Amino acid sequence: KAGVTQTPRYLIKTRGQQVTLSCSPISGHRSVSWYQQTPGQGLQFLFEYFSETQRNKGNFPGRFSGRQFSNSRSEMNVSTLELGDSALYLCASSLAFQIKGAEQYFGPGTRLTVT
Amino acid sequence: AQTVTQSQPEMSVQEAETVTLSCTYDTSESDYYLFWYKQPPSRQMILVIRQEAYKQQNATENRFSVNFQKAAKSFSLKISDSQLGDAAMYFCAYRLKNNAGNMLTFGGGTRLMVKP
Repeated sequence: KAGVTQTPRYLIKTRGQQVTLSCSPISGHRSVSWYQQTPGQGLQFLFEYFSETQRNKGNFPGRFSGRQFSNSRSEMNVSTLELGDSALYLCASSLAFQIKGAEQYFGPGTRLTVT
Repeated sequence: AQTVTQSQPEMSVQEAETVTLSCTYDTSESDYYLFWYKQPPSRQMILVIRQEAYKQQNATENRFSVNFQKAAKSFSLKISDSQLGDAAMYFCAYRLKNNAGNMLTFGGGTRLMVKP
């Protein structure tokens, strides 16, 4: 079974631009979560999607948004990029939203650099 | 809000020796999961071990075991017979168990170095 895939793996953008990152969960998994990892703030939860609906949201500005498609693939978008948005963005998939004990499997991440 | 603290930014261990990584957390909830994740230089997060708060028995996975002290809100990871491949960042994480989805709260991480 293929793992979680994220595209692109590396991205360089200019301040003020917007970016879209993609995540394909493991086949059969319907929940997708996004995390931002930076040296200063560590790993922080962005949001979680299940059945095309945002179920949880972390403490990030409205410039960060996401969506989930009917095939469970998810995208996250960051508008008006700032230097501080440079980070590794990790996607994690899980079987469902409220199954006890369901594990999360992480993708390899997308490294975003904002110049 | 829940918080997770890892007080050791870096640890070092000799190959074949044992090392313990510390983690404390703060929560008012009684039903939750605790995890240790490993992040090697490839950046792929890998689940090492999981503990349910209501299980008194400490979880064990091969060379990895935990010491879970619920009252003290402490969750340490012991790695026995350390191998060069154990070198990585280790993150302690917390997740509510019921009706709260899969959101993880992570600690700041501990970088483990393994000396040959």
